[in-house]
Amino acid sequence: GENVEQHPSTLSVQEGDSAVIKCTYSDSASNYFPWYKQELGKRPQLIIDIRSNVGEKKDQRIAVTLNKTAKHFSLHITETQPEDSAVYFCAAKEVGGFQKLVFGTGTRLLVSP
Amino acid sequence: GAGVSQSPSNKVTEKGKDVELRCDPISGHTALYWYRQRLGQGLEFLIYFQGNSAPDKSGLPSDRFSAERTGESVSTLTIQRTQQEDSAVYLCASSLSALNTEAFFGQGTRLTVV
Repeated sequence: GENVEQHPSTLSVQEGDSAVIKCTYSDSASNYFPWYKQELGKRPQLIIDIRSNVGEKKDQRIAVTLNKTAKHFSLHITETQPEDSAVYFCAAKEVGGFQKLVFGTGTRLLVSP
Repeated sequence: GAGVSQSPSNKVTEKGKDVELRCDPISGHTALYWYRQRLGQGLEFLIYFQGNSAPDKSGLPSDRFSAERTGESVSTLTIQRTQQEDSAVYLCASSLSALNTEAFFGQGTRLTVV
């Protein structure tokens, strides 16, 4: 089955800097890659997703890139703000029989003012 | 419409007791997932439903864990003979289909086994 690895586990940046979180996946047939943000004590919420027919997607300060050949995808946050501080999870959707959503282990992002 | 709803939001139980956790997905969502999140940890996959069928139960930690879904709607996760290591937040998510659509999470049930 699918296995998703995520790095780094923690990331500290200064306000205004950029942050990059990277994930790799094992199943070359996976074709859907969402990113979730989980604030302390709250439920995970989708912030951006990308499908395998697209190499990059942007939404304001957030962008995701996908390299299918290398089986990795990354989240880029520009001009970070303190309210970006949270845990970010990447995920990959299996295709075929099960199609379950497999998550990475999470990255704790801390943006200091 | 309403989002994914889970109940109870908090549950404290004694070791050895059985507990039932409930998930009400968004109406019309055919795919439903259960995850476990230990304190400060990631999202551990438990089980996935497509309609009322569970094609993948591979994440259930032991035979003390079981889940069912009825009417392509409500799902219950049952933990028998709870142990302290079962303490965690149990999150349910639903999506419109098993295809590439957004999964919406409930607020979770925080289970504490004492």
